Amino acid sequence: DVKVTQSSRYLVKRTGEKVFLECVQDMDHENMFWYRQDPGLGLRLIYFSYDVKMKEKGDIPEGYSVSREKKERFSLILESASTNQTSMYLCASNPPPPGELFFGEGSRLTVL
Amino acid sequence: AQSVAQPEDQVNVAEGNPLTVKCTYSVSGNPYLFWYVQYPNRGLQFLLKYITGDNLVKGSYGFEAEFNKSQTSFHLKKPSALVSDSALYFCAVRSLSGGYNKLIFGAGTRLAVHP
Repeated sequence: DVKVTQSSRYLVKRTGEKVFLECVQDMDHENMFWYRQDPGLGLRLIYFSYDVKMKEKGDIPEGYSVSREKKERFSLILESASTNQTSMYLCASNPPPPGELFFGEGSRLTVL
Repeated sequence: AQSVAQPEDQVNVAEGNPLTVKCTYSVSGNPYLFWYVQYPNRGLQFLLKYITGDNLVKGSYGFEAEFNKSQTSFHLKKPSALVSDSALYFCAVRSLSGGYNKLIFGAGTRLAVHP
């Protein structure tokens, strides 16, 4: 089975802190994604990557950056966390289209 | 612009009754459509997809979905609901933008199945 692992299920950070969310997939997928989930808004795409060292902005990239140094790992970085970044963050990967997305369990971030 | 709409925030159904969760989409070209389910404090799990072929698609846990091109709809259905089906359901459509394939998700519909 495909496994997408997010390193932290729950995090509490303070405003201004730098936050790293790590995601690892074990199926050699080239495509990886970071989504943010908020009630009533569904999932919104933050960044995605189609290859190592490659990244593309999604719909809401402001305040975020990403890193993909290895194929299996895709990290989301909040350079200076703010309270409006309190949310559930979901990492996903998929094979070439039309393959479905495989999601991690999510990282619930609270910024105080 | 490509989009997905789930017109109901919540659907309530009695156990044993049929259920429908609605989804409509707007996309240029042939649509690739997906349904996902999310249980509390978990990630999303894939249920089924429509790519081409038969308009009735069967998926996991007894769910199925009907693709209707003229109504641009992809409603999720199940003949007999279970309490364990209570969860958050997301419809998604593939978007081809800037040469990249992405999934656009609806806002989600919460399904509550009552004993």
